Amino acid sequence: SQQGEEDPQALSIQEGENATMNCSYKTSINNLQWYRQNSGRGLVHLILIRSNEREKHSGRLRVTLDTSKKSSSLLITASRAADTASYFCATDMGGSNYKLTFGKGTLLTVNP
Amino acid sequence: EAGVAQSPRYKIIEKRQSVAFWCNPISGHATLYWYQQILGQGPKLLIQFQNNGVVDDSQLPKDRFSAERLKGVDSTLKIQPAKLEDSAVYLCASRRPGKGAGETQYFGPGTRLLVL
Repeated sequence: SQQGEEDPQALSIQEGENATMNCSYKTSINNLQWYRQNSGRGLVHLILIRSNEREKHSGRLRVTLDTSKKSSSLLITASRAADTASYFCATDMGGSNYKLTFGKGTLLTVNP
Repeated sequence: EAGVAQSPRYKIIEKRQSVAFWCNPISGHATLYWYQQILGQGPKLLIQFQNNGVVDDSQLPKDRFSAERLKGVDSTLKIQPAKLEDSAVYLCASRRPGKGAGETQYFGPGTRLLVL
């Protein structure tokens, strides 16, 4: 079953604009991770935020986590055409298995 | 370091045929995962190995899917017989031991399967 649900399902913006994607989940988590998938390729890990963290930055990426609302957001600033991809949130509910449950993803298109 | 290797990259078969996928994880990564990703959806975990033992296969359709990791390194996933609904991308991922960096997964390029 899918734990995370991304919103929106698809997003189209112009180069230079910011892109915001949201993720909601249902049960308590140990951490939440965001992955990117270019068309026809494997997933690439972008950033991990732990349940006791509220915000994290990595380059042009900013992730927030609100455990009271069971939601997270991924902000990509100053987007580029190369950012065109599907973005997935994945939740780790803890335990020694480090098992991830992925959402359905947001398809981001950045137009040059 | 070399990434996760998968082969073949593409496979087209007819329903009721069998197919096998191969995965070689990053060296030293004890944990290996197989995911199924149907078009328009996120990856769904099929099976998780820790070294050569199965940790979680609760979502593996065991009547037709099987997987093994005999020497704790590379792994094969088999489907026999295939159904139309098995058309998907099969992703392999690996993870290094322990907390911290061990909480992220490294994915291979996937095998795109089309069942006709």
